[in-house]
Amino acid sequence: NAGVMQNPRHLVRRRGQEARLRCSPMKGHSHVYWYRQLPEEGLKFMVYLQKENIIDESGMPKERFSAEFPKEGPSILRIQQVVRGDSAAYFCASSPKDRGRNYGYTFGSGTRLTVV
Amino acid sequence: DAKTTQPNSMESNEEEPVHLPCNHSTISGTDYIHWYRQLPSQGPEYVIHGLTSNVNNRMASLAIAEDRKSSTLILHRATLRDAAVYYCILSWDSGGSNYKLTFGKGTLLTVNP
Repeated sequence: NAGVMQNPRHLVRRRGQEARLRCSPMKGHSHVYWYRQLPEEGLKFMVYLQKENIIDESGMPKERFSAEFPKEGPSILRIQQVVRGDSAAYFCASSPKDRGRNYGYTFGSGTRLTVV
Repeated sequence: DAKTTQPNSMESNEEEPVHLPCNHSTISGTDYIHWYRQLPSQGPEYVIHGLTSNVNNRMASLAIAEDRKSSTLILHRATLRDAAVYYCILSWDSGGSNYKLTFGKGTLLTVNP
């Protein structure tokens, strides 16, 4: 019974390159949430997706960041033209439909992005 | 959003109980109190949650004050694997929009052997 799978665990990108972070939710979970944790800070919500739908992207930076959760395959968080300030740990969480409300969310182990 | 206040750090000895406090004086009637913990280099892990009554599960107990303005996470016998940052989070129930968990700085728990 695999949990939320994120890959890669570590990603190094040069400034200006693109970063793609993948998240496979737990089996049976149709809702995915992305969070970002900057160094020495708490996690901050970025985006909430269901299959083929972005439900809430109010936490996403306006430029360079995008997310998708296709009908088949993992959810992808894409960061274009990365800058040093994008260096952070990116976590994905998943939940079954409506179970997230007042219940615990299951988080992955995260992708640590380093921009050099 | 209602905020929580936690000590920056606490220390405990192995196999002793640990009481992690959280103040949430502006909590509203529909706010649930959630606790998550984050082990080094891991994602947050759900620990427990409650509304008004004390709660127990295999990981911990949650004691909620009668006025709900504070709560305490209780680890009955701390182990070295319990060393983590513990987050107290209020999760409001309003049309299912409570997925925006607000993680503060949490309490860094150190467990001494």
